[in-house]
Amino acid sequence: DIQMTQSPSFLSASLGNSITITCHASQNIKGWLAWYQQKSGNAPELLIYKASSLQSGVPSRFSGSGSGTDYILTISNLQPEDIATYYCQHYQSFPLTFGAGTKLELK
Amino acid sequence: EVQLVESGGGLVQPGRSMKLSCAASGFTFNNYDMAWVCQAPKKGLEWVATISYDGSSTYYRDSVKGRFTISRDNAKSTLYLQMDSLRSEDTATYYCARHPLTTRVYFDYWGQGVMVTVSS
Repeated sequence: DIQMTQSPSFLSASLGNSITITCHASQNIKGWLAWYQQKSGNAPELLIYKASSLQSGVPSRFSGSGSGTDYILTISNLQPEDIATYYCQHYQSFPLTFGAGTKLELK
Repeated sequence: EVQLVESGGGLVQPGRSMKLSCAASGFTFNNYDMAWVCQAPKKGLEWVATISYDGSSTYYRDSVKGRFTISRDNAKSTLYLQMDSLRSEDTATYYCARHPLTTRVYFDYWGQGVMVTVSS
């Protein structure tokens, strides 16, 4: 199985700042990576797929990059509505696995 | 508008069974592969199972193989998860999720989730 190591687990940032979350796969996943946002008490929502493709309707301050085993989610100009937990997920093969999540809080 | 509405959760004793349903609307259900994803309380997301658009192929995580069965009724636009021999570690919110129309499988729409509690 492919393991997804996400860091950091917790992140505190100020409004207007930029943040980055990293995700490391235990083997080459060839860009088959998605990022999700989960607000408290809600279902996850897709942000990015194929490592860097923005899902329709997602603000452009969200961006993704990476290749091989290492991937990054960047949120620019942090807004109050961005407070959530973020997960990466590979889809190179079954079983599909997620990172453990990064909880983003306001400083 | 794509909608996925889960039902059938609740409290169940260890070793017993429970069947979840997910009613889909707003898209052509029989064109899409579908999945179940779970989330234990205060924990992260775990993929449970996937079924192909026509039901001919199914995939499961190891911990549920032989105990859970994913199925679908395309005439009713409904996805199911039959959960047998339930264990306390199956306690979680279960989300119905849609795979996009691609050959690779992430999740582009999610239901609101249904809670399953396995306890005596």
